[in-house]
Amino acid sequence: AQSVTQLDSQVPVFEEAPVELRCNYSSSVSVYLFWYVQYPNQGLQLLLKYLSGSTLVKGINGFEAEFNKSQTSFHLRKPSVHISDTAEYFCAVSVSNRDDKIIFGKGTRLHILP
Amino acid sequence: GAGVSQSPRYKVAKRGQDVALRCDPISGHVSLFWYQQALGQGPEFLTYFQNEAQLDKSGLPSDRFFAERPEGSVSTLKIQRTQQEDSAVYLCASSLERYNEQFFGPGTRLTVL
Repeated sequence: AQSVTQLDSQVPVFEEAPVELRCNYSSSVSVYLFWYVQYPNQGLQLLLKYLSGSTLVKGINGFEAEFNKSQTSFHLRKPSVHISDTAEYFCAVSVSNRDDKIIFGKGTRLHILP
Repeated sequence: GAGVSQSPRYKVAKRGQDVALRCDPISGHVSLFWYQQALGQGPEFLTYFQNEAQLDKSGLPSDRFFAERPEGSVSTLKIQRTQQEDSAVYLCASSLERYNEQFFGPGTRLTVL
């Protein structure tokens, strides 16, 4: 079975500072990896995804993530955050080429400080 | 174009009542998923349809939960004899084909008193 661990439930960061949200996954088979963002009272929106190929993935709103197979990690980064980045961020996995359901982590709340 | 829509957006039910939650996927999307998101948690998979066929219902927590998609478009998630632990946001997602990106609706927030 697959699982996702987001170690930080909340991350406070000053505006215009860099941020990294950590994600580790567990799977015995190859996986697709995702980061979703959930703004207050809104649905989930896909930030970026890793399916195959280059391990550095660029997404919307200036976010990027790096797939590290040896460390089973998929950390999300942004070099300079904005107040509008305040949201809940979910790391997620699904089994490559077979399963359709997505397994989500518990989420990390990004809190931007002025 | 229109995204995934869900109705109602908010539902309050007394314990023991039956509820029905509706999902309108993006037109033409073959796959449809239901997830349950408890407060402070990530979404958890409930069930999956490909067209009208329910291919995976392994995440449904009990036989009180039932989902259908009779014509391969709109889907309804029904919860019978609601319990307080059923209180959560129920998310619907659709995708064009298997393994494609899932587009999520805004969710229905169910509160069981």
